[in-house]
Amino acid sequence: EAGVAQSPRYKIIEKRQSVAFWCNPISGHATLYWYQQILGQGPKLLIQFQNNGVVDDSQLPKDRFSAERLKGVDSTLKIQPAKLEDSAVYLCASSRGTGTSYEQYFGPGTRLTVT
Amino acid sequence: AQSVTQLGSHVSVSEGALVLLRCNYSSSVPPYLFWYVQYPNQGLQLLLKYTSAATLVKGINGFEAEFKKSETSFHLTKPSAHMSDAAEYFCAVSESTAGSARQLTFGSGTQLTVLP
Repeated sequence: EAGVAQSPRYKIIEKRQSVAFWCNPISGHATLYWYQQILGQGPKLLIQFQNNGVVDDSQLPKDRFSAERLKGVDSTLKIQPAKLEDSAVYLCASSRGTGTSYEQYFGPGTRLTVT
Repeated sequence: AQSVTQLGSHVSVSEGALVLLRCNYSSSVPPYLFWYVQYPNQGLQLLLKYTSAATLVKGINGFEAEFKKSETSFHLTKPSAHMSDAAEYFCAVSESTAGSARQLTFGSGTQLTVLP
């Protein structure tokens, strides 16, 4: 079974530029999560999708971050414009469902550096 | 609101020695608790989870953790450290939200170094 795929793996941009990350979850996984992991901290949930609908985006800075999962499969996370404090690893995870019995599987992450 | 505190951002042990990584949680309802491991440049991998069944949970790679409600703790242990255990370890807690979707709140992580 293929794991969660993310691209790009690394991205360096200047502040005020825009950037997009892509995630392809494990086949058949209905739930998709985006996390932000700042250096020295644990991952923080940004947004959770169930199929193509948003379950929770309460911690997503909506003035600059957006995410979509149009066909209920892969997803993109966008930052526009980027700030220095957005430098972090962005992790995508997927699970079969939303219950705790469903394990979350994580991708390798995209490391973003904003200069 | 749920939260997790991991005591010690860095832990060093000798190869063959006991590994003990500490985690304390705060939760307004009976929690589900997890330990994840993250190797460099990789995503998180689930080591083990507590879901209100047995309080002593066994996971992969010889790790285990014990849920102690009175101490609000869920410490991770391994009797004998191996060089391959060097990684960052995250404790996480999960509660039900209004939509019944359980979400994870992570601690800040503990970097484990294994010395030869």
